Amino acid sequence: DVKVTQSSRYLVKRTGEKVFLECVQDMDHENMFWYRQDPGLGLRLIYFSYDVKMKEKGDIPEGYSVSREKKERFSLILESASTNQTSMYLCASRGDRPSNEQFFGPGTRLTVL
Amino acid sequence: QQQVKQSPQSLIVQKGGISIINCAYENTAFDYFPWYQQFPGKGPALLIAIRPDVSEKKEGRFTISFNKSAKQFSLHIMDSQPGDSATYFCAAVPINAGNMLTFGGGTRLMVKP
Repeated sequence: DVKVTQSSRYLVKRTGEKVFLECVQDMDHENMFWYRQDPGLGLRLIYFSYDVKMKEKGDIPEGYSVSREKKERFSLILESASTNQTSMYLCASRGDRPSNEQFFGPGTRLTVL
Repeated sequence: QQQVKQSPQSLIVQKGGISIINCAYENTAFDYFPWYQQFPGKGPALLIAIRPDVSEKKEGRFTISFNKSAKQFSLHIMDSQPGDSATYFCAAVPINAGNMLTFGGGTRLMVKP
């Protein structure tokens, strides 16, 4: 069974803190993604990675960075958390074509105070 | 500016009724249109998807209708059940850019017993 896991379900941080969100997939997928989910805005792509050490910016990369040192693990980093980064963060993975299906983790609810 | 516009934001339907969610897009480079279903506390999961070479796709009680000339597509849930209560997201993927999934804003569906 396909599985994407995220390190925390809930996280509370203070403004200015460095925040790490971890994601692990067990499907040997090449592609991994980080989204944020906000009411009325759907899911917006922050960054994705199509291979180890490779990354591409999504629609809203500002204030975020990512790291992919191993194929199964993709990290999202908030260098200096701000209150407008309070959101639900979702990780996903996808194999190569022909399937475009993305498999999502359960999400991390981040609150920045 | 959302590239995929989804309506309504919320929907209440009686058990046994038909739920209809609509999406519209502008980018003619989109060539794959999936719908994702998200239950509370879970990540989204692929429900059904369509390519623009067909006007309709049916899987059980779920049907996608696609109107290429109008750049619109919709999800119909026949005989809606309380277990269908969830948030639904339409999405679109451009040709040769399988990692660039663009989501609509989401529709929260409640099916009343």
